[in-house]
Amino acid sequence: GENVEQHPSTLSVQEGDSAVIKCTYSDSASNYFPWYKQELGKGPQLIIDIRSNVGEKKDQRIAVTLNKTAKHFSLHITETQPEDSAVYFCAAAGSARQLTFGSGTQLTVLP
Amino acid sequence: DTAVSQTPKYLVTQMGNDKSIKCEQNLGHDTMYWYKQDSKKFLKIMFSYNNKELIINETVPNRFSPKSPDKAHLNLHINSLELGDSAVYFCASSQGQVQPQHFGDGTRLSIL
Repeated sequence: GENVEQHPSTLSVQEGDSAVIKCTYSDSASNYFPWYKQELGKGPQLIIDIRSNVGEKKDQRIAVTLNKTAKHFSLHITETQPEDSAVYFCAAAGSARQLTFGSGTQLTVLP
Repeated sequence: DTAVSQTPKYLVTQMGNDKSIKCEQNLGHDTMYWYKQDSKKFLKIMFSYNNKELIINETVPNRFSPKSPDKAHLNLHINSLELGDSAVYFCASSQGQVQPQHFGDGTRLSIL
């Protein structure tokens, strides 16, 4: 089955700096890669997603890049703000047509 | 206005009891899911239903039984609760498989 690894597990940045979270996947048939943000006491919320026919996607301060050859994808957050502090999860949907999640990254943005 | 709603939000009960968690979505989606998030925040799919039919059933003990009375509802019944069942359970929905999923805010189950 699909295996998704996510790094780092914790990340602290100064407000205004950029944050990058990286994930690798194992199933070469995976074709859908969403990113979720989870705040304390809440459910995961989709923030951006990308499909395998696209190499990069941007939405304001958030961007995701995908390298199918290397089987890795990354989340980039620019001009971080304290409200960006949360746990971020990557996920991949492969041949099993279900989401396999990474282990999460606790992002802390220091004011 | 809540898109995916779960009840109850908190569930504290004793080992050996039977309990149910309810989920409803008002997004008109045809696919619903149950996930388990453990104490280390790891999220794992348990079940998925598409148009009321079970399509994904991961390796989950038989004590867990989902039921989908209609496309908008997916309930989870758990028999003979064990200490290891303590976790946060999330319901989610999407329009089709391999599509953006919308999550509820979870049910925190604590077994005494």
